[in-house]
Amino acid sequence: RKEVEQDPGPFNVPEGATVAFNCTYSNSASQSFFWYRQDCRKEPKLLMSVYSSGNEDGRFTAQLNRASQYISLLIRDSKLSDSATYLCVVNMENYGQNFVFGPGTRLSVLP
Amino acid sequence: GAVVSQHPSRVICKSGTSVKIECRSLDFQATTMFWYRQFPKQSLMLMATSNEGSKATYEQGVEKDKFLINHASLTLSTLTVTSAHPEDSSFYICSARGGGLGEKLFFGSGTQLSVL
Repeated sequence: RKEVEQDPGPFNVPEGATVAFNCTYSNSASQSFFWYRQDCRKEPKLLMSVYSSGNEDGRFTAQLNRASQYISLLIRDSKLSDSATYLCVVNMENYGQNFVFGPGTRLSVLP
Repeated sequence: GAVVSQHPSRVICKSGTSVKIECRSLDFQATTMFWYRQFPKQSLMLMATSNEGSKATYEQGVEKDKFLINHASLTLSTLTVTSAHPEDSSFYICSARGGGLGEKLFFGSGTQLSVL
């Protein structure tokens, strides 16, 4: 089983749609969690950290369920500019493993 | 936010040559730098972790004699791909953390290496 798994995608949605991405991680000792977005042949950029209480940043909402080892990202009112690959990242630094990136989920928002 | 500069952005070289990629933290001291490789339509794969002043820690399956990493200062790490072959063609990205910025990773803009 891979350490970090994500919805395989791609997701093709119309502008204005709401889309949710799922991510699961295998190591229960994982300590911190992030969502990054990556445009083609560009570096990943931090979208948001993920906290146990859940957090929201504008149209983006992230949730963490430690018991189920599950992370989600919800994008509301999607824009064309949201088209990118979304990477789930898990940090297990205290256990000898640094940031582990999921395979990513590709999103295409269509006009 | 913190800035990490990576050069060159693109390099094309002949098989057998060596290529050096630089990663600099411009406005903070990077105690740790990471080097990744990414093949098309795949995720980032961590190659090695380097801490300033010490030897890099390589991930399983990454040849340390082929991918030389030097982290000589708190603002500079280099990756040298020695005797490059076509199968080394990939997108290489560095990231850095430190300077009191917590767990956040700051990425360089990546280097597209093409070995002919």
